Amino acid sequence: GDSVTQMEGPVTLSEEAFLTINCTYTATGYPSLFWYVQYPGEGLQLLLKATKADDKGSNKGFEATYRKETTSFHLEKGSVQVSDSAVYFCALSELNFNKFYFGSGTKLNVKP
Amino acid sequence: SQTIHQWPATLVQPVGSPLSLECTVEGTSNPNLYWYRQAAGRGLQLLFYSVGIGQISSEVPQNLSASRPQDRQFILSSKKLLLSDSGFYLCAWSARRASSNEQFFGPGTRLTVL
Repeated sequence: GDSVTQMEGPVTLSEEAFLTINCTYTATGYPSLFWYVQYPGEGLQLLLKATKADDKGSNKGFEATYRKETTSFHLEKGSVQVSDSAVYFCALSELNFNKFYFGSGTKLNVKP
Repeated sequence: SQTIHQWPATLVQPVGSPLSLECTVEGTSNPNLYWYRQAAGRGLQLLFYSVGIGQISSEVPQNLSASRPQDRQFILSSKKLLLSDSGFYLCAWSARRASSNEQFFGPGTRLTVL
């Protein structure tokens, strides 16, 4: 079955450090891939997405590239800010199905 | 534009009491609807999803139930709450036919069972 695995947290970085949060997936078909962000006490917001192999999703300085050969969708940001502190979820969805599969979430703490 | 509402935002209930959480979506028709639970410090657990009025799929056995009485209304219920039902409940919707099946989340309901 489909599944998403992402790195355990929490990840603690200093402001302006480089961020990578690893995400790998297992899928039976050709999924779309997503990164969601959850700020404390709030629901999830879509951060970026990619719908096919080699697509790069980007938003607010974050990037992730859909790598079919390594079944990965790692999240990166060149210089994190304190305001980026949140929980990040990797997810996939297959077009012909109605369900999403989420990773367990990675908490990011950015210190000034 | 589409919006999704959940209420209440916060709820404190005693063990054994009933529960009703409501989710409504505006600005779209025939959405897929989802209920998730997020326990403290944990990931998302899909509880129920619905592809149409009266159509509910349950993902995990538990003392919760869901109903969809109208196209854009999704209700999560329990007859008797357990301590383990505490958590953050999120409703989400996605378009029935879309190129990427992106899900849009509501603001959540924080439930504490005492």
